[in-house]
Amino acid sequence: DAMVIQNPRYQVTQFGKPVTLSCSQTLNHNVMYWYQQKSSQAPKLLFHYYDKDFNNEADTPDNFQSRRPNTSFCFLDIRSPGLGDAAMYLCATSRGRQGRSSKNIQYFGAGTRLSVL
Amino acid sequence: AQRVTQPEKLLSVFKGAPVELKCNYSYSGSPELFWYVQYSRQRLQLLLRHISRESIKGFTADLNKGETSFHLKKPFAQEEDSAMYYCALSRPSGNTPLVFGKGTRLSVIA
Repeated sequence: DAMVIQNPRYQVTQFGKPVTLSCSQTLNHNVMYWYQQKSSQAPKLLFHYYDKDFNNEADTPDNFQSRRPNTSFCFLDIRSPGLGDAAMYLCATSRGRQGRSSKNIQYFGAGTRLSVL
Repeated sequence: AQRVTQPEKLLSVFKGAPVELKCNYSYSGSPELFWYVQYSRQRLQLLLRHISRESIKGFTADLNKGETSFHLKKPFAQEEDSAMYYCALSRPSGNTPLVFGKGTRLSVIA
């Protein structure tokens, strides 16, 4: 059973039209991450939440925002998508301070592939 | 700066041949190191991590601190091993994101 669920699997938006990607988890993990992965490139961290604490990467564009209303859900908002934002967006979770040996293992969702027309 | 280098973008081997996927890292301290794998049409998933010292699906990886390497090895490749492999590191605490290498696509030829 999927433990990190991303919806939708495919999202098409228009240039400049705001879009929201969602991620939910059934693992009760403290930490949730959003990565951007472009074709033939490594996943690149955009930001992460440790509980309610938001941590933005220095080079994440202001166009990207995130919300985590509760432990289970995390959203990625792209305010004005450009053609360069077309990519696969991956959500991941990890235990954080819970547990010891497994706290750093990240569990990934299947991703949302975003197309910008 | 934290960095993970996977020098090979693509590695093709014949079934039954040994496999070694190279990974070098740059980190001041003692990171946690991981290999993640992505099979076709599946999600990215953990293959193994250095602190477990385990063998998963016949793969092993040894951390060499002197050479700052964490190469992934398997003595006899199988067709089902064909996938994208990512080496990654994180700080040894509970809330640190992964820094990924660019990945190596392994293709096992029958």
